[in-house]
Amino acid sequence: ETGVTQTPRHLVMGMTNKKSLKCEQHLGHNAMYWYKQSAKKPLELMFVYSLEERVENNSVPSRFSPECPNSSHLFLHLHTLQPEDSALYLCASSYGTGGSEAFFGQGTRLTVV
Amino acid sequence: DAKTTQPPSMDCAEGRAANLPCNHSTISGNEYVYWYRQIHSQGPQYIIHGLKNNETNEMASLIITEDRKSSTLILPHATLRDTAVYYCIVRVAWRDDKIIFGKGTRLHILP
Repeated sequence: ETGVTQTPRHLVMGMTNKKSLKCEQHLGHNAMYWYKQSAKKPLELMFVYSLEERVENNSVPSRFSPECPNSSHLFLHLHTLQPEDSALYLCASSYGTGGSEAFFGQGTRLTVV
Repeated sequence: DAKTTQPPSMDCAEGRAANLPCNHSTISGNEYVYWYRQIHSQGPQYIIHGLKNNETNEMASLIITEDRKSSTLILPHATLRDTAVYYCIVRVAWRDDKIIFGKGTRLHILP
C-alpha cells in the first residue's frame, strides 16, 4: 500500500465511449503524474501537475485530457480512444517535482475494444 | 530519453546477494541516482537514491563509484519476492525534473 489509490483497477471501453480514470493521494504531496505503460515498453511520462498546474505535457493526443482539481486528486478523461491506447495507466505523486521519491498507484489496466 | 544503461536481465539464486549494475557516464554533478522496481503488473516502487556517498536502507544498498559514472544496487539476501524489473534513473534533486524510465533490468530470483 503506497498511499496512492487508482480506480478502477480494470477498464474495458469501446472506441466511442467516454470514461475517466481517478487517482487519489493523501500523503500531503503537491505533484502528481500520469504514466502510460504499453506491453513490453518502458513507462512513458504523459502529464505532470505541480501545485495543481500542468507543468508537463509530453505530446499526448488530445483524446487524453487530464484534470487536477486539487492537490489530492488527479483524473484522466478518455474519449474516442484507439485500440493501441490499451495499456497500464499509472498515477504517481511526490512532494514537489524536484527530486523527492515518487509513490505510484497500482495502475488501471485499460483495454480499448 | 533515459540517461542510464542497464543489462536487460539477470539471474540470482535465492538467499544470495543480487548486484544490479547501472552505467550513467553522462551524469551531471547535480543529478542523483535513483532506483525503483516494478513487480509484475504493479506500480513502480521506490527503493533508494544517492548522490555520491554509498547509501543503505532496509531494502537495499547503493554503491556509487568515485567518478559517479556507474552504480550498483545490492539486494543483500534476495528472495523470490524480489523478482521484478529494476530501474536506474538519474535526475536533478532541487528543480523540476522528470522521472524518465528506461527499459530496466529484469531480475529473476531462482529457487
